[in-house]
Amino acid sequence: AQSVTQLDSQVPVFEEAPVELRCNYSSSVSVYLFWYVQYPNQGLQLLLKYLSGSTLVKGINGFEAEFNKSQTSFHLRKPSVHISDTAEYFCAVTKAAGNKLTFGGGTRVLVKP
Amino acid sequence: DSGVTQTPKHLITATGQRVTLRCSPRSGDLSVYWYQQSLDQGLQFLIQYYNGEERAKGNILERFSAQQFPDLHSELNLSSLELGDSALYFCASSSVKGNTEAFFGQGTRLTVV
Repeated sequence: AQSVTQLDSQVPVFEEAPVELRCNYSSSVSVYLFWYVQYPNQGLQLLLKYLSGSTLVKGINGFEAEFNKSQTSFHLRKPSVHISDTAEYFCAVTKAAGNKLTFGGGTRVLVKP
Repeated sequence: DSGVTQTPKHLITATGQRVTLRCSPRSGDLSVYWYQQSLDQGLQFLIQYYNGEERAKGNILERFSAQQFPDLHSELNLSSLELGDSALYFCASSSVKGNTEAFFGQGTRLTVV
């Protein structure tokens, strides 16, 4: 079974500052990794995904994440946040294509002016 | 717009009642997943259907059931509702083959009073 831990439940950050959201996973098999964003009163939208290949993954809206197999981490970063990045961010894993996603507890990002 | 349609968007019902949530997957997606999002449990996988057949089961209560119809839309039936069933219920779909990305609907917010 897989599990995901998002180490910060809330991250306040000032506009135009960088942000890093931490995600660690546990699995006995290789996994695919994802970051989703949930804006208020919205569904989940995929930011980026790691399936294989380059460990640095670029996603939408200027986000990127780095897969670190030895540390079983998949941290999400953005060099300069906007007010519109205020949302909840979820890290997720799956062991194979077409399998269920296992989500972390989410990290609420509040961008302050 | 993810292409996944969920109805209704909001539902308020009394304890002991039964409700049906509906999901239309993206065109061509054979796999449908149901997730529950609540404050205390976070995002939990409930059940997956693939081309009409149940493929995987998560922490789904016996009072809950689902099915996927020949036209690939899916319904989640919740019965003998309790206050604790109040949550946001998401449907997601994926094509299984190739791309592992799951596309989420906007969710149905269920309030049990």
